[in-house]
Amino acid sequence: AQSVTQPDIHITVSEGASLELRCNYSYGATPYLFWYVQSPGQGLQLLLKYFSGDTLVQGIKGFEAEFKRSQSSFNLRKPSVHWSDAAEYFCAVGDGGATNKLIFGTGTLLAVQP
Amino acid sequence: ETGVTQSPTHLIKTRGQQVTLRCSSQSGHNTVSWYQQALGQGPQFIFQYYREEENGRGNFPPRFSGLQFPNYSSELNVNALELDDSALYLCASSLGVGQGGKLFFGSGTQLSVL
Repeated sequence: AQSVTQPDIHITVSEGASLELRCNYSYGATPYLFWYVQSPGQGLQLLLKYFSGDTLVQGIKGFEAEFKRSQSSFNLRKPSVHWSDAAEYFCAVGDGGATNKLIFGTGTLLAVQP
Repeated sequence: ETGVTQSPTHLIKTRGQQVTLRCSSQSGHNTVSWYQQALGQGPQFIFQYYREEENGRGNFPPRFSGLQFPNYSSELNVNALELDDSALYLCASSLGVGQGGKLFFGSGTQLSVL
């Protein structure tokens, strides 16, 4: 069965520092992969997605993610974090069935220090 | 602002009661999915409605039921509430059920069961 693991529950970075959030997935075929961000009291906003093609995907707000099939990973990166990036980040995989159901990881809570 | 609205934003119920949550999808979207997000967890797929028919269901008991109306708005009904039903309930709309379709999430309904 498909699954997503986000090993880091909580990460703190300084403003201006680089960021990498880890995501590992389990999926039999080429996965549909997503990163979402959730701010307090808000729903989920799509940052970026990977379906096929170039393994480095650019998203909104300066985020990018790299698909590495050999490592079953889809890590999210940002070269310079802003205080407004503090939020919870979820990695998700599409289940490949008859729905566009997403299977989410447990999330990584990002705190940004001034 | 995604165009997906959910009501109410907060709700407090007692164990054993019934609750109805509502979702108005983004204009033009014919698919609505419901997710349950327990505290500290990622969202979990409850079910999806496509053109007024259930089109997939997650691992939730039958006391979780839904409905989609001709205008594609949707309801989630939960009978015989249990304490573990306390969670944020998210609605997401999309155009079709393909994996490439972008999901637009509402801000959710926070349900507390006492």
